[in-house]
Amino acid sequence: GNSVTQMEGPVTLSEEAFLTINCTYTATGYPSLFWYVQYPGEGLQLLLKATKADDKGSNKGFEATYRKETTSFHLEKGSVQVSDSAVYFCALRGQVQGAQKLVFGQGTRLTINP
Amino acid sequence: DGGITQSPKYLFRKEGQNVTLSCEQNLNHDAMYWYRQDPGQGLRLIYYSQIVNDFQKGDIAEGYSVSREKKESFPLTVTSAQKNPTAFYLCASKAAGRTFNSPLHFGNGTRLTVT
Repeated sequence: GNSVTQMEGPVTLSEEAFLTINCTYTATGYPSLFWYVQYPGEGLQLLLKATKADDKGSNKGFEATYRKETTSFHLEKGSVQVSDSAVYFCALRGQVQGAQKLVFGQGTRLTINP
Repeated sequence: DGGITQSPKYLFRKEGQNVTLSCEQNLNHDAMYWYRQDPGQGLRLIYYSQIVNDFQKGDIAEGYSVSREKKESFPLTVTSAQKNPTAFYLCASKAAGRTFNSPLHFGNGTRLTVT
């Protein structure tokens, strides 16, 4: 079945450091890929998405490229800020038994220190 | 402002009691979802509803029930049959019938503690 695997957290970085959170997936067909972010005490918000191979999603300085050959959708940011501290979820939407279903990774907690 | 409201934010219950979590949306979305979030396990789908008066089981529906009598509302009941009910519960909605890739909109969650 469809599944998403993210790098284990927690991840702790200093402000202005480069960020990579790895995400790989297993899916049949051509899924769409998403990154969601969850700030403390809140629900999830869509951060970015990509709908086909080689698409790059970007938002708020974050980027992720849909790599079909490596089945990956790694999240990157060139210079993180304290306000980026949150839990990040990689997700895919694909066909499962005739229905569209969203499958989430386990989440990666990111802490940015000033 | 349009959005999804979950209430209450924190809920405490004794073991053996049923409890109902509220989810209301004013986004005019057709589809609504309930997820459970546990540390280190991501989100798991409990139930979802594509239209009023219809709903389907997700991956972990045992011990839960839902209703969808109104488009705006999708309450979740955690029954005494749920063996491990303490968790963070998230409600979400989506504009069904739109593109395949339209995102989910989430509420801020309800943290349920059963002792």
